[in-house]
This record gives sequence, C-alpha cells and structure tokens, in this order.
Amino acid sequence: DGGITQSPKYLFRKEGQNVTLSCEQNLNHDAMYWYRQDPGQGLRLIYYSQIVNDFQKGDIAEGYSVSREKKESFPLTVTSAQKNPTAFYLCASSIGQTYNEQFFGPGTRLTVL
Amino acid sequence: KNQVEQSPQSLIILEGKNCTLQCNYTVSPFSNLRWYKQDTGRGPVSLTIMTFSENTKSNGRYTATLDADTKQSSLHITASQLSDSASYICVVSEFGGSYIPTFGRGTSLIVHP
Repeated sequence: DGGITQSPKYLFRKEGQNVTLSCEQNLNHDAMYWYRQDPGQGLRLIYYSQIVNDFQKGDIAEGYSVSREKKESFPLTVTSAQKNPTAFYLCASSIGQTYNEQFFGPGTRLTVL
Repeated sequence: KNQVEQSPQSLIILEGKNCTLQCNYTVSPFSNLRWYKQDTGRGPVSLTIMTFSENTKSNGRYTATLDADTKQSSLHITASQLSDSASYICVVSEFGGSYIPTFGRGTSLIVHP
C-alpha cells in the first residue's frame, strides 16, 4: 500500500530531553512537511523539504530540527529548546511544486511530563 | 499576508440534517482550494479539490462550491451521519507560489443521534 506513516503514535518525554519523530513515505513524493497542531488552532508549519538534502524553516522552527538524507524519510527532532512541545505533530508529503495537494500521516501525539 | 477564515468555529446538528460550512480567503493569485476532514487524533484526509475554473465538486454526501470572484467556498453536507463528526479544514494554495498552502483553523462538527 502506498502511503505516509508516522511513529510512534504516542510519545512521552521528560523535560530537557530531545526526542525524534519518524515520518516515512512510499509515494515517491519530492516534498515533505512537518506541522504542529494545538487545540483550537490551525496547522502551523515547522519545517519543509522540497528535495533531498535541503530543507527550509517554516513559521515556528525554533526548538526543532530536521534532516532529509533520503527521499522517503523526514524525521523531526524536538529539542529541549522548544518551550512548549506538547502537541499533535503531523507529517505530510506532496508531489512537488506544480501540483501541491498534501497527503498527511496519522500523526504523533507528544506529551512532555 | 494570505489568510483563510472559516465559520462557524463549531457546529452541532442532529443526525440526518444538512449543514453548510464556510471558508473565506485572501490568497492571491489563486491556484486551488481543498477541503479536508480530520477525525479526532488522526491526520486530515482530502475531500475535494477545486481549481479556478470549477464552481462545484461533489464527493458522495459532500458538495463543495467555489466563488473565485468573492473568494468564498462552502462545504455542504447532506443527510449527516454520526461519522461526519470531525473537524473540516479549508486549505488554499497560491498560483506559482511556494509549496506551502494556507490553512484555515477548521470547523468542528458534532453530529448527535
């Protein structure tokens, strides 16, 4: 089956710890994205990548880091510098610039204890 | 700055009734508009996508309309079911712009039996 997967579904972390969220896609999409969703708010863009080995900051990149070493994978690290990391994180992918419908993964809910 | 405004913020209806959700946008130049359905704790799933030349697009009991002149869209749900309870998100993309669409905050729909 083609699709986009995220793991884990639920993640708990202690304050001061870094944690990495996984995102994999087998849709052969060039572009990948990370969003954060908080209750009552729209999706906010953290980072995006248009091509392997390249990525750009979104609206709320502070306290987060990413890598894009493979086309299929776009992991997100939530660092201890992120002051309020508890949220629902969504990964998405799209074919590219000319047809940018985004396909979303199932999400990871991160809770900082 | 591109913006997408959705109304109402939340809506409660009885099973079997119809409802209409609204989306106003300022994105220009316009490329396409999508409606997504997001179940609680899951990633958004695309319902419809409309380009500039399309006025109406249906997907089962979901019908989206677009007025590019007034920059308004609506999503009409017919004969609602309990499974329609979800958040509905309007997303608008800019023609010739970046990979990044503009997201509305969503309308939370609750269908009661």
